[in-house]
Amino acid sequence: EAQVTQNPRYLITVTGKKLTVTCSQNMNHEYMSWYRQDPGLGLRQIYYSMNVEVTDKGDVPEGYKVSRKEKRNFPLILESPSPNQTSLYFCASSSGLFPPLHFGNGTRLTVT
Amino acid sequence: DQQVKQNSPSLSVQEGRISILNCDYTNSMFDYFLWYKKYPAEGPTFLISISSIKDKNEDGRFTVFLNKSAKHLSLHIVPSQPGDSAVYFCAAYTGNQFYFGTGTSLTVIP
Repeated sequence: EAQVTQNPRYLITVTGKKLTVTCSQNMNHEYMSWYRQDPGLGLRQIYYSMNVEVTDKGDVPEGYKVSRKEKRNFPLILESPSPNQTSLYFCASSSGLFPPLHFGNGTRLTVT
Repeated sequence: DQQVKQNSPSLSVQEGRISILNCDYTNSMFDYFLWYKKYPAEGPTFLISISSIKDKNEDGRFTVFLNKSAKHLSLHIVPSQPGDSAVYFCAAYTGNQFYFGTGTSLTVIP
């Protein structure tokens, strides 16, 4: 089944403790991206990647890192999480720029 | 600054009637627009899209209209069904990035 898989689905952590949210897609898509969803703000793009070893900042990249060492994986790294990064995070992929994005089921992160 | 806006946080419609969801944008460089549907505890799923060179696109019960002069996009669902109850996000694309609206929660009343 074609899908985007994020792990974990839920994560509670403390300020400053490094964490990684994994994202993997099995559709051989070039384009992958991360979004955060916050009440009243919709979905905002954090980072995106056009292909392996190519990443770019989205609208809200501060406090996040990504890597794209393999085509299928695009992990989101929070080196020193803060409470304002408490949010619902989505990973998405696409075979190109115009075809639609396929989203994972989300990761709800709480930073205390 | 929000480049894609959905000014109605919620909408209620009777089953069988038309649902109209609206979206406004500010960036004239957007060259592709999409609608996504989201159920609780799931990721958004693609519904329908339209290129900026078109003004209408239909797919079954769903039709998207684009008015470039007004920078306005709308999604029509006819007839509305209870299973359409979800949050709908409008999105626009330019420069390798997708920009999303804040979403409209649609409730279809049986």
